[in-house]
Amino acid sequence: GAGVSQSPRYKVAKRGQDVALRCDPISGHVSLFWYQQALGQGPEFLTYFQNEAQLDKSGLPSDRFFAERPEGSVSTLKIQRTQQEDSAVYLCASSLELSGAVGYTFGSGTRLTVV
Amino acid sequence: KQEVTQIPAALSVPEGENLVLNCSFTDSAIYNLQWFRQDPGKGLTSLLLIQSSQREQTSGRLNASLDKSSGRSTLYIAASQPGDSATYLCAVNVGNQFYFGTGTSLTVIP
Repeated sequence: GAGVSQSPRYKVAKRGQDVALRCDPISGHVSLFWYQQALGQGPEFLTYFQNEAQLDKSGLPSDRFFAERPEGSVSTLKIQRTQQEDSAVYLCASSLELSGAVGYTFGSGTRLTVV
Repeated sequence: KQEVTQIPAALSVPEGENLVLNCSFTDSAIYNLQWFRQDPGKGLTSLLLIQSSQREQTSGRLNASLDKSSGRSTLYIAASQPGDSATYLCAVNVGNQFYFGTGTSLTVIP
């Protein structure tokens, strides 16, 4: 596609429920990143893929967060047993270059609200 | 850890004014710096990307400068318009991730 596509756009989950957020990067983009943006804050790094390999997951806040990109294209961010503090916008970005040297293209994000 | 600060946090200007948004970062070992625009409830739109070897980039009414040694970048917007109202974020790339500031919320009053 022409841009990075994320779905769903909005998700309301009851506390304790599992959720899965999807990211379709730009075709041919090698690098894929997930960021978490709390209200009024800048995005914070969660994890990074190069093709299907997850090279950095240092930003994942707990072991309830899990991300995968099994075929090197679409990625899914899964959050198990959601908590209220997980409420945020989850942004996906992709880049043509391995290091992001040509910049990132971001999707519109998924707004997760845990009630 | 890289710390990115944006000043001011909010700015309100009348239409037609030129304005400057500031971004500072603590570690000068960066690959590049990118300015983004974020509209309410939306994702990030890339405005300008400056490589570490560059001093500035221009696109239309926007000009971004980078002084890596002092850890500073500025985004200059000429002849502001109401449609420029949004949050502006700067982000520094230190390898395989960007560190973001908390943004400057800009309101251009018609």
